Amino acid sequence: DQQVKQNSPSLSVQEGRISILNCDYTNSMFDYFLWYKKYPAEGPTFLISISSIKDKNEDGRFTVFLNKSAKHLSLHIVPSQPGDSAVYFCAALSAGNEKLTFGTGTRLTIIP
Amino acid sequence: GAGVSQSPRYKVAKRGQDVALRCDPISGHVSLFWYQQALGQGPEFLTYFQNEAQLDKSGLPSDRFFAERPEGSVSTLKIQRTQQEDSAVYLCASSLSIGGLGNTIYFGEGSWLTVV
Repeated sequence: DQQVKQNSPSLSVQEGRISILNCDYTNSMFDYFLWYKKYPAEGPTFLISISSIKDKNEDGRFTVFLNKSAKHLSLHIVPSQPGDSAVYFCAALSAGNEKLTFGTGTRLTIIP
Repeated sequence: GAGVSQSPRYKVAKRGQDVALRCDPISGHVSLFWYQQALGQGPEFLTYFQNEAQLDKSGLPSDRFFAERPEGSVSTLKIQRTQQEDSAVYLCASSLSIGGLGNTIYFGEGSWLTVV
């Protein structure tokens, strides 16, 4: 039972354009959501997060949007840069629970 | 370095062999996590320690998997009688605080296990 889903295994975007990565979840107990970025042969690194009491969080080129009613979140990267090429994982936490539940990841390729 | 260190980075084990994977968390970090990432999948939670106490081992797939953190710092994940389905990257992560949000969790580079 995949509680966090990333339905696009890969995405290619032209440099300078907007990259939009999507994530859906099924567990209504999740109240905190995160995006991690992973380069080959490295561990995931935290990118940006959002609490369920918000619908948007912005950090530089990265913005995460949360639609609680649709149980959907998205990560926007604008403008996209070649260094953004990586696998992006959506993850979720529920209050009082230490463990992250991850999606299967989306491989983003930025085309120069 | 100052990050989470895991060893070995790569391990090839014959089916039936026992393996031990080591994690050195960031100094002073209270919380330690183990995740398993199969090829093409996201990391899946295995177990969680708060200091030396193993508070959650609900993700361990079978009794062949055992984790310990006897002195509240270094942790070892042991897999007995390895099977081919154990082939995965095993990620260790640590966090300074208890109940911290995921933005304070730091992952190691992982131990890549291949069972042949």
